[in-house]
Amino acid sequence: QKEVEQDPGPLSVPEGAIVSLNCTYSNSAFQYFMWYRQYSRKGPELLMYTYSSGNKEDGRFTAQVDKSSKYISLFIRDSQPSDSATYLCAMTVSYSGAGSYQLTFGKGTKLSVIP
Amino acid sequence: GAVVSQHPSWVICKSGTSVKIECRSLDFQATTMFWYRQFPKQSLMLMATSNEGSKATYEQGVEKDKFLINHASLTLSTLTVTSAHPEDSSFYICSARDPTKNIQYFGAGTRLSVL
Repeated sequence: QKEVEQDPGPLSVPEGAIVSLNCTYSNSAFQYFMWYRQYSRKGPELLMYTYSSGNKEDGRFTAQVDKSSKYISLFIRDSQPSDSATYLCAMTVSYSGAGSYQLTFGKGTKLSVIP
Repeated sequence: GAVVSQHPSWVICKSGTSVKIECRSLDFQATTMFWYRQFPKQSLMLMATSNEGSKATYEQGVEKDKFLINHASLTLSTLTVTSAHPEDSSFYICSARDPTKNIQYFGAGTRLSVL
């Protein structure tokens, strides 16, 4: 079983739709959860950051973490063509030591928002 | 938000030459920086973890004599691809960890083409 599972898509939605992106994970030690957006031939851009369980909202984006289910989600409201990109979930543990701070990534979901 | 600057964004070189890529943390002091490699349509592959003032830790299968990493200050890490060959052509991305938040911020990436 991979540490982080993410449906690679592709996911195609009409402009204005609500998009739901998800990841599941197996390592209960993960404490920090992030969503990155990556446009083609660019580095990942941090969208959302959550520590432990709970919800976080920022504009059209909402991140949810359910540690009991080992499940994280990113919702995009009123999706725009400019949201078309690959979305990567990432997570890490909180301890320091060898191999610490490294991010474990999902494979990324490619999203296309059609005008 | 935090900014990580990576330079150059694109470099073309002849086989056998060396190429240096710079990664600068502009908004915070990064004790830990990371170097990734990304092949088309794939997720990021961690190459090495760079800690300021100490030797980098390389992932299994990454040749440390080929990919030289220097992290001489809290804001600068460099990756030198030595004696580059066409198979080294790829997209290289750095990231810097903000120690106050345990978040990694990524550079825009460097596209290396070895002729």
